[in-house]
Amino acid sequence: KNEVEQSPQNLTAQEGEFITINCSYSVGISALHWLQQHPGGGIVSLFMLSSGKKKHGRLIATINIQEKHSSLHITASHPRDSAVYICAVGPFNEKLTFGTGTRLTIIP
Amino acid sequence: DTEVTQTPKHLVMGMTNKKSLKCEQHMGHRAMYWYKQKAKKPPELMFVYSYEKLSINESVPSRFSPECPNSSLLNLHLHALQPEDSALYLCASSQAGTGAYEQYFGPGTRLTVT
Repeated sequence: KNEVEQSPQNLTAQEGEFITINCSYSVGISALHWLQQHPGGGIVSLFMLSSGKKKHGRLIATINIQEKHSSLHITASHPRDSAVYICAVGPFNEKLTFGTGTRLTIIP
Repeated sequence: DTEVTQTPKHLVMGMTNKKSLKCEQHMGHRAMYWYKQKAKKPPELMFVYSYEKLSINESVPSRFSPECPNSSLLNLHLHALQPEDSALYLCASSQAGTGAYEQYFGPGTRLTVT
């Protein structure tokens, strides 16, 4: 069993839809990271959180430490949001453990 | 400046060549990372430098040799690679070497071994 599980693996939605990507983990963590990777591109850090909720523009990330679960929400989705979204958890050393990613496609 | 730069963007090398990948950051970060990413897979950690010392080597073959000449610069020296080493190589940095700090990634070097 992977230490970090993401769902869904693939998601296709119409422009404007509300998007939710889920991440569950099984290890103790110091922080959870949400990352975005466009095709052929580098990785951008969207959020790092250890409790509660963070918002940046149309993106919202939440974490429930007791349930070991985090969600990434995108409101009013746009084709430029099409990317792979990766959840990664940081234990108390240097290593991040990555989920397998969610491939999001937003259709105009 | 919140940028991590990597050169070159693309590299094609033969199995007998020696080449180097370079990574630079000017954010004052004290931890730097090399990752390898195959298509449609998450990044795999290769090496971590913390305060210019190698702190993690994820059992990477010796044909990959990292070097951290100073706190801003990270190199990955490549020698006698195999075709299966073709991948996107990502560099990242963070304020310190724990999972509790945000990692800033470079754009990557796409390596093809022929």
